[in-house]
Amino acid sequence: TQLLEQSPQFLSIQEGENLTVYCNSSSVFSSLQWYRQEPGEGPVLLVTVVTGGEVKKLKRLTFQFGDARKDSSLHITAAQPGDTGLYLCAVRSNDYKLSFGAGTTVTVRA
Amino acid sequence: DTAVSQTPKYLVTQMGNDKSIKCEQNLGHDTMYWYKQDSKKFLKIMFSYNNKELIINETVPNRFSPKSPDKAHLNLHINSLELGDSAVYFCASSPLLRGNTIYFGEGSWLTVV
Repeated sequence: TQLLEQSPQFLSIQEGENLTVYCNSSSVFSSLQWYRQEPGEGPVLLVTVVTGGEVKKLKRLTFQFGDARKDSSLHITAAQPGDTGLYLCAVRSNDYKLSFGAGTTVTVRA
Repeated sequence: DTAVSQTPKYLVTQMGNDKSIKCEQNLGHDTMYWYKQDSKKFLKIMFSYNNKELIINETVPNRFSPKSPDKAHLNLHINSLELGDSAVYFCASSPLLRGNTIYFGEGSWLTVV
């Protein structure tokens, strides 16, 4: 079983639509990160959330950390083709590892 | 001025060969990593070094041997390549061992035929 479960696995939407992807776990974390990986590139950090219930906004992206710090969501408003990519959530375990979820592949069609 | 650079970007080789992937970071970070991303896009840590010292060694076959000549470099040598080694290998670095931000290289696409 994986530490982090991401859903959906794939998401294809039309430009201008909204979307939400989820990252869930049965464990509690002190912080959680979201990365975006564009085709042919390495993952790039988008945000780190640290407080239960925290909401962070990055332009059209809204990140929420669950009250119990076990889950998180990423909402994109009015998606654009540039939002296309693999969205990965990640947490750091006690042994210094940064562990990733399996990711959600988002495709925004023009 | 690439922060984390790895070479080669693409590598196609035959089973049984030995190959190396080089990685350099110019960010002054203390910690460097190797991650493997499989065909299903799952990204999994392989090794972590902090100031040239091995910190994390996941259950990786002995055919994989990392080497860190200094804290700015972490190379990955793979012996006796197998078909299942085909993947994208990412080098990464972070300021501290428990640093919150990890900076990834662009990846090295390894195909074993």
